Order: sequence, then C-alpha cells, then structure tokens
Amino acid sequence: EVQLVESGGGLIQPGGSLRLSCAASGFTVSDNYMTWVRQPPGKGLEWVSVIYSGGNTYYADSVKGRFTISRDNSKNTLYLQMNSLRAEDTAVYYCAKGVGFLGDWGQGTLVTVSS
Amino acid sequence: DIQMTQSPSTLSASIGDRVTITCRASQSISSWLAWYQQKPGKAPKLLIYKASSLESGVPSRFSGSGSGTEFTLTISSLQPDDFATYYCQQYDIYSRTFGQGTKVEI
Repeated sequence: EVQLVESGGGLIQPGGSLRLSCAASGFTVSDNYMTWVRQPPGKGLEWVSVIYSGGNTYYADSVKGRFTISRDNSKNTLYLQMNSLRAEDTAVYYCAKGVGFLGDWGQGTLVTVSS
Repeated sequence: DIQMTQSPSTLSASIGDRVTITCRASQSISSWLAWYQQKPGKAPKLLIYKASSLESGVPSRFSGSGSGTEFTLTISSLQPDDFATYYCQQYDIYSRTFGQGTKVEI
C-alpha cells in the first residue's frame, strides 16, 4: 500500500527557510515521478514542483529560484527546500506520487509565513 | 502557462440530481486532463484521468468527457458523499495547472 507522510511545516518568518519532507512507503521514490502541490488556506490547488525518476526537476514560476526539490534514495524520502519565504507561500503543502495525474497524496503539512 | 477555467464556481444541487462541471483550457491539451474531489481538511482524491478514464475504486456515477480545450465532469445521480469541491488539472506540459475549483453544495 502506498503511503506518503509529509513533515517539516510550521511557522516561519518572511525571508526564512524551511525544508519539507515526504516519507514514502509501499514504493520506491527514485523509480517514480514525485510532485509537490500546495493550497493556500481557503483557496485552490497550485502545482509547485516535480522531480522525474531520471532526476530532472521543474518548478512553478512563483517558486523558481527559491525552492528546490530533491530526494534521498536511502531514506526513500522526497524533500522540498524552501528559501526566501514570503507571506504568499503560506499554504498546506502536499506531496504526491506521479507526474501527470496524481493518484496518491500525503495528508499535507501546513507552512505559515508570518512575522 | 496553460490556464484552466472551471464553471460554475459554486453549484447548488440536491440528492439524485445530475451534475455537470465544465473545465476549459486556454490551449489544446489533447486528453491530458484529470479531475479530483476534495473534502475539507483532506487531500484531493483522483477521480478521472486522461479526460475520461475512471480511477480504480471510484463509483461509476462519475464520468468525464472532452478533448482539446473543453472538458466536463458529470455526476449522474448526486449522493450525500459527493458534496465537495472538484478540481480539474491539465498535464499536457511539465508546468501543471489546476482549475480554480467548483464547490458542490446543497
């Protein structure tokens, strides 16, 4: 059974950094495409980033140059390093398995950027 | 980026109603479209992929159609568990985009 568990969210000041983790079980992260999606409170879904099984990475324009997606094969874990955080980055961040349609999602972790 | 526009934003319906939600893409995406259902405090759940393929375990009252730029999600007979927000998502290019969502309420 596929399971995805995000962690690392919390309250952070504008300009700060945070690293989100997504621990996977039931499949191998490095053999799959993995995606981050976020959802600001009370708003819709926004695609953030994807890492291909081959290692290629892509980002939404809103986070390009500030966020970095990566994985640790030994820990079967996906990461999202978030730097230079802004108030508009406040959201629940979900990791999901897949690159096109997303069939498996984690429960999400809340990131709040505020002073 | 490809823009996805859903209509309506909110839909009031009753149990047993046939419900249709429309999603329009700003350029052709062939059939690279998915539909999700989301309930408050929960992660989205995949319903439909490739415009019309039903995800395993999803009730057959859900169906999808369309190609190019116009797509629809239909619920043939609305059930109590279907009151939720629905999102379309294109995956034609690597920069995926979601529609703004359609809330189905009583």
